[in-house]
Amino acid sequence: DSGVTQTPKHLITATGQRVTLRCSPRSGDLSVYWYQQSLDQGLQFLIQYYNGEERAKGNILERFSAQQFPDLHSELNLSSLELGDSALYFCASSVGQMNTEAFFGQGTRLTVV
Amino acid sequence: DAKTTQPPSMDCAEGRAANLPCNHSTISGNEYVYWYRQIHSQGPQYIIHGLKNNETNEMASLIITEDRKSSTLILPHATLRDTAVYYCIADGTGTASKLTFGTGTRLQVTL
Repeated sequence: DSGVTQTPKHLITATGQRVTLRCSPRSGDLSVYWYQQSLDQGLQFLIQYYNGEERAKGNILERFSAQQFPDLHSELNLSSLELGDSALYFCASSVGQMNTEAFFGQGTRLTVV
Repeated sequence: DAKTTQPPSMDCAEGRAANLPCNHSTISGNEYVYWYRQIHSQGPQYIIHGLKNNETNEMASLIITEDRKSSTLILPHATLRDTAVYYCIADGTGTASKLTFGTGTRLQVTL
């Protein structure tokens, strides 16, 4: 158990819909990262927040957005969903802004039908 | 970040040492070598990292060649639970936001 909690574990939704994925980082960790893992793309970094502020952006689509709240939990919002958005979405956390030892949650498996 | 090359798959008998190679011939002086693993669609798990010297922790040992162009992750006594995809990453930014997970090595530990 990494200490990072993601909910829900599984999500099935229709194209065009909007979903919210939630992540609670390890106690004391200020950075939260979101990654997407699809069959054809591998594990790709989406976005990082540190203590409530956006710190780095990767290959995140404009239809996707995220935020980190004062209690440090984070949410990833995916809208206008397409079939190709079906993937595993992982959240990771680390103590500071610059830590490569990140602790990953168990992921949310999103299926868009 | 330097590109890393790993064999796509390896087998290892349970109880034996698993030696997973990684080539990073273009690594620069400030880039660390990190190893993560992913057990069947679970979240990736940090294993170990190093810059120049060999490193050991409770999970594994990391041997980096003197020229730093390659490294080997050693699981000293592999168990069935070590069956996973192992990722070797060269990174100089010191942040998990820059981790680039390639295709890794799928290690199959067998009885």
